Amino acid sequence: TQLLEQSPQFLSIQEGENLTVYCNSSSVFSSLQWYRQEPGEGPVLLVTVVTGGEVKKLKRLTFQFGDARKDSSLHITAAQPGDTGLYLCARPPGNQFYFGTGTSLTVIP
Amino acid sequence: ETGVTQSPTHLIKTRGQQVTLRCSSQSGHNTVSWYQQALGQGPQFIFQYYREEENGRGNFPPRFSGLQFPNYSSELNVNALELDDSALYLCASSLDASGFTDTQYFGPGTRLTVL
Repeated sequence: TQLLEQSPQFLSIQEGENLTVYCNSSSVFSSLQWYRQEPGEGPVLLVTVVTGGEVKKLKRLTFQFGDARKDSSLHITAAQPGDTGLYLCARPPGNQFYFGTGTSLTVIP
Repeated sequence: ETGVTQSPTHLIKTRGQQVTLRCSSQSGHNTVSWYQQALGQGPQFIFQYYREEENGRGNFPPRFSGLQFPNYSSELNVNALELDDSALYLCASSLDASGFTDTQYFGPGTRLTVL
């Protein structure tokens, strides 16, 4: 059972376009993490958000945690081919770790 | 500092066989978690080991078992392999098992194919 639903599932865009990926749950999170996974590799942590309403920026990536701490979004500005990968949100509740369903992003040069 | 390593990289087995996958944790990490990832989907939590004891388990049958050794390396064993066990198996190490914001470091995974 996936506790975290991500949308869209697949996204194919041209280099230079902007995009937003969403992560939703019916439960409240104590914190939420975003990962990127490239083919043949394990997921790599991008950011952790903890406070409702929090916004964090990582170069062209902007992460937002919903005010109610039940959802989050990842916005990429001026996407580049190097942004291609599987984007995963994850809820780390102590000794278990729940990943979202994933968004597969392809940026076409 | 050595990252998380996994072996083998790829593995092909037949239905009914048994398999052992191995993981070496990042230096100084005492917690390891294992995940199963189907193609294009998010990883599914199998179990976590903290200081050689199982510390949490996901919705996987008992034929999925594990070990963590005193040097904090780990094994994932799967008995009576089924076709649906074909997946990428990831291990991840972290400094401890408690933190809500704890960072996990993932290995590159073992691609298991069951024929």
